[in-house]
Amino acid sequence: AQTVTQSQPEMSVQEAETVTLSCTYDTSESDYYLFWYKQPPSRQMILVIRQEAYKQQNATENRFSVNFQKAAKSFSLKISDSQLGDAAMYFCAYRSPYGNQFYFGTGTSLTVIP
Amino acid sequence: EPEVTQTPSHQVTQMGQEVILRCVPISNHLYFYWYRQILGQKVEFLVSFYNNEISEKSEIFDDQFSVERPDGSNFTLKIRSTKLEDSAMYFCASTKEREWGHNEQFFGPGTRLTVL
Repeated sequence: AQTVTQSQPEMSVQEAETVTLSCTYDTSESDYYLFWYKQPPSRQMILVIRQEAYKQQNATENRFSVNFQKAAKSFSLKISDSQLGDAAMYFCAYRSPYGNQFYFGTGTSLTVIP
Repeated sequence: EPEVTQTPSHQVTQMGQEVILRCVPISNHLYFYWYRQILGQKVEFLVSFYNNEISEKSEIFDDQFSVERPDGSNFTLKIRSTKLEDSAMYFCASTKEREWGHNEQFFGPGTRLTVL
């Protein structure tokens, strides 16, 4: 089974600074999908960004971008110009093209310091 | 913007009791999921549901669990005889389109189940 590892249980960043959240995964598949979800306190998880493994170009969504290193099986999230509203739990997730389920990491709790 | 909703937000029950967790997926979505997260652990897949039947389930989803779409809007997870280890946050999710890998799943806010 695929596994997803987030080695940083907690991170903090000063407002307006940049922070990178790490995620690694293990798979034998060559094609798959990777996601970062954000879960604000007492709110639902919402999609931040997604990456298709067959695409070499790193995905970007406004202040959010990923560094996808397929050979290293690494999928880090960079948040630029951090804002107070970015404070949340961030989950990295893997999805196979052949199944329904997401495989999640344990999450990284991000604190934004004013 | 449409959201997945879940009720109750927190459920406390005695060991051995039956509980039903309720979810209202986004109205035009066709695929439904349950996940759980034991405190401090990963979010784990339980089951997916399409066209009134289970399409995939994990090892966690044993005979104590069942899912149902009793009407056109609700999607429920039933645990027949709760155990202490069932204490967790339970997330419902839904997807509109076919289960292509790139499609995002829309998650509800979760129900925290506490089994005493």
